[in-house]
Amino acid sequence: AQKVTQAQTEISVVEKEDVTLDCVYETRDTTYYLFWYKQPPSGELVFLIRRNSFDEQNEISGRYSWNFQKSTSSFNFTITASQVVDSAVYFCALINSGGSNYKLTFGKGTLLTVNP
Amino acid sequence: NAGVTQTPKFRILKIGQSMTLQCAQDMNHNYMYWYRQDPGMGLKLIYYSVGAGITDKGEVPNGYNVSRSTTEDFPLRLELAAPSQTSVYFCASTIAGGPTATDTQYFGPGTRLTVL
Repeated sequence: AQKVTQAQTEISVVEKEDVTLDCVYETRDTTYYLFWYKQPPSGELVFLIRRNSFDEQNEISGRYSWNFQKSTSSFNFTITASQVVDSAVYFCALINSGGSNYKLTFGKGTLLTVNP
Repeated sequence: NAGVTQTPKFRILKIGQSMTLQCAQDMNHNYMYWYRQDPGMGLKLIYYSVGAGITDKGEVPNGYNVSRSTTEDFPLRLELAAPSQTSVYFCASTIAGGPTATDTQYFGPGTRLTVL
């Protein structure tokens, strides 16, 4: 079975603060993919990143960075110098490469509020 | 490309009514999915399809039906609406690279359904 846990239900920060969203996953497969999606107040789901289990390099994209650590089964997401437009629900998700390969398992999401 | 489109955006149904949620994609993706999102619960898979003419159940299929007569379209049918089906419904699609569908799933804008 696979599982994704986002322990932080809600986070509130002041603009320009850095914030890290935690994601811990469980899977028996050795090959899997991890994702982050953003859901702004308008409701759509916006893809942010896809990372496979063999690539543990951290990734940076502008103010966003991701820290993938297989040893702790974590795929954390950091926003540097947060902005009001970053306010959204962020979902971490996992899909295995074999078996039930159709199933994208989502965490319950973290609501990030960035206050001006 | 329009990507993944869904209609309607909003709908209110009475208990026992039926309706079809429409989903279409123009990216020539072979895999398509229906999810429902309940408050604070992330997304759960209702049905999926790996190609025209092939569909299968996800985690929460009861009360729903699907069909996939073309690559582009994947409608979701609610036969006898119940209050428990009040939710936001998302359609998604991906292209299966090789034997498994681990590529990024791209989501439609969602349909907000209320059953009273």
